[in-house]
Amino acid sequence: AQSVTQPDIHITVSEGASLELRCNYSYGATPYLFWYVQSPGQGLQLLLKYFSGDTLVQGIKGFEAEFKRSQSSFNLRKPSVHWSDAAEYFCAVLNSGGSNYKLTFGKGTLLTVNP
Amino acid sequence: DTEVTQTPKHLVMGMTNKKSLKCEQHMGHRAMYWYKQKAKKPPELMFVYSYEKLSINESVPSRFSPECPNSSLLNLHLHALQPEDSALYLCASSQEAAGGAYEQYFGPGTRLTVT
Repeated sequence: AQSVTQPDIHITVSEGASLELRCNYSYGATPYLFWYVQSPGQGLQLLLKYFSGDTLVQGIKGFEAEFKRSQSSFNLRKPSVHWSDAAEYFCAVLNSGGSNYKLTFGKGTLLTVNP
Repeated sequence: DTEVTQTPKHLVMGMTNKKSLKCEQHMGHRAMYWYKQKAKKPPELMFVYSYEKLSINESVPSRFSPECPNSSLLNLHLHALQPEDSALYLCASSQEAAGGAYEQYFGPGTRLTVT
């Protein structure tokens, strides 16, 4: 079965610093990968997705992610973090087997931004 | 427009009450989803509707009853809930439920408290 691992439960960065959130997946076929962000008490907002093609994908709010098949990773990056980026971040893989496609989420990484 | 709306935003209900959660999307999506999210956890899939037919029920207790009146609307009927059912209930939609890679768009959620 597919799985997603986000090794970091909580990360704290200073405003203006760079950010990298790690995501590793376990999936036999070509994975469809996503990063979502969730502010407290809110729904999930799609930041970016990888389906195929260019392994460096650009998303909203200045985020990007790089798909590395050899490392089974899909890490999220941002060159300069803003205080408004403080939120929970979820990596997810779409299970494309069978007759229904289901999202499997990682456990999330909580990002705290210090002024 | 990638908006999924949910009403109400907050709901408090007793264990003997009957209530309903509503979800609406106008993106022409043919797949709609209900997720349950407990605090500090990722969303857990409950139900998937594809072309207005229930295609996945993740062994959800019968006190939760989904309904898809048309391709834009999704309801979740609640009856005789338990305090442990208190959670954020998220609705999502995607272009299709299978046959390709499609991203899911989430609503803001309904915060449910069972007393």
